[in-house]
Amino acid sequence: QVLLQESGPGLVKPSETLSLTCSVSGSSMRRYYWSWIRQPAGMGLEWIGRIDDSGTTNYNPSLKSRISMSVDPSKKQFSLHVRSVAAADTAVYYCARAISFSYSYYALDVWGQGTTITVSS
Amino acid sequence: DIQMTQSPSSLSASLGERVTITCRASQSINNYLNWYQQRPGKPPKFLIYAASSLQEGVPSRFIGGGSGTDFNLTIDNLQPEDLATYYCQQTHNSPTTFGHGTKVE
Repeated sequence: QVLLQESGPGLVKPSETLSLTCSVSGSSMRRYYWSWIRQPAGMGLEWIGRIDDSGTTNYNPSLKSRISMSVDPSKKQFSLHVRSVAAADTAVYYCARAISFSYSYYALDVWGQGTTITVSS
Repeated sequence: DIQMTQSPSSLSASLGERVTITCRASQSINNYLNWYQQRPGKPPKFLIYAASSLQEGVPSRFIGGGSGTDFNLTIDNLQPEDLATYYCQQTHNSPTTFGHGTKVE
């Protein structure tokens, strides 16, 4: 069974850097992309970006100037860092595995339970 | 970015009914369209990829269709566990984008 588990601080002060880690179990990190998605309370889903096991990243342009991702395949973990956070970054943050099908189709097939991040002083 | 518009935003249905949710893309995405189900307080669950291909283990009462810009998700014989919010997602262009969701109550 593939499980993803997010870990993070819960509360972050405005202008600080948010750091989240996702731990992977039951799956190799090879041949998959590893994604971050967020969801403000009562709202829809926003894709933040993804990383593969070699460290190749693809970020959402709307957040690109403030985010970075890293991966540690030996620990089966990947991380998200969001700089200069503001109230608008308050959301549930999910990590997810992206599975590829034929002809470039892909989908987010396994999700973590999510971690709630509140930006407040 | 490609905008995904879902309708309706919510709907009421009775158990055993057939319900249909629509998703429209702001430009053609061929059939690079996924569907997810999200129950309250839970992460999304992957249901369908390539507009109509059922993920393993998903009940056959979930039926996806469409191509180009217009897509739909039909749930036949609505069950209590189907009461949730459903999201479409396009993967034709980066960044991938989601619809705003349709709540089935």
